[in-house]
Amino acid sequence: QKEVEQNSGPLSVPEGAIASLNCTYSDRGSQSFFWYRQYSGKSPELIMFIYSNGDKEDGRFTAQLNKASQYVSLLIRDSQPSDSATYLCAAMNSGYSTLTFGKGTMLLVSP
Amino acid sequence: NAGVTQTPKFRILKIGQSMTLQCTQDMNHNYMYWYRQDPGMGLKLIYYSVGAGITDKGEVPNGYNVSRSTTEDFPLRLELAAPSQTSVYFCASSYVSGDYGYTFGSGTRLTVV
Repeated sequence: QKEVEQNSGPLSVPEGAIASLNCTYSDRGSQSFFWYRQYSGKSPELIMFIYSNGDKEDGRFTAQLNKASQYVSLLIRDSQPSDSATYLCAAMNSGYSTLTFGKGTMLLVSP
Repeated sequence: NAGVTQTPKFRILKIGQSMTLQCTQDMNHNYMYWYRQDPGMGLKLIYYSVGAGITDKGEVPNGYNVSRSTTEDFPLRLELAAPSQTSVYFCASSYVSGDYGYTFGSGTRLTVV
């Protein structure tokens, strides 16, 4: 059973701080990883994807991948109350085009 | 450009009833997927399709059926609804192999009573 594990949270950070969200995955064959943001009652929306070891930056968001440790993280700099949502980590299953999702981490950014 | 459109948005079914959840995409994506999401849980894959006429089971296919007669449409059929099928259902689509992630529909919230 391929699994993606995330701390369910909530992770509480003050406005302007850096939020750090983490996940681990079980399928060593996974090559692509995705972070989705999901507001309550809404559908997931893609924030970032990463394929290569190291960091990938997009605005206030930085995704980090360490394939040796099977670890993916998402850093959100200058967190805003509007970033309060559940963040889903997903891994592309090896040999398929399907994603396995973690249960998500709830982020709360207080003003 | 509508993206992925799901209907209905909400539905209440009685145990034993059947229904079809509709999903249509206008992005000419070959790959389409059905996931369900239960409270506090991640998304679980029900079925997926890599093109018209080709479907395959995901992690939780029991109690569901799909068909893919066109590139645009990927309906999900629930036969003999059970309370365990109470969930939020998301349809998604992607370019070949999903390398750039999925585009999700707005979801269907289904309650079986």
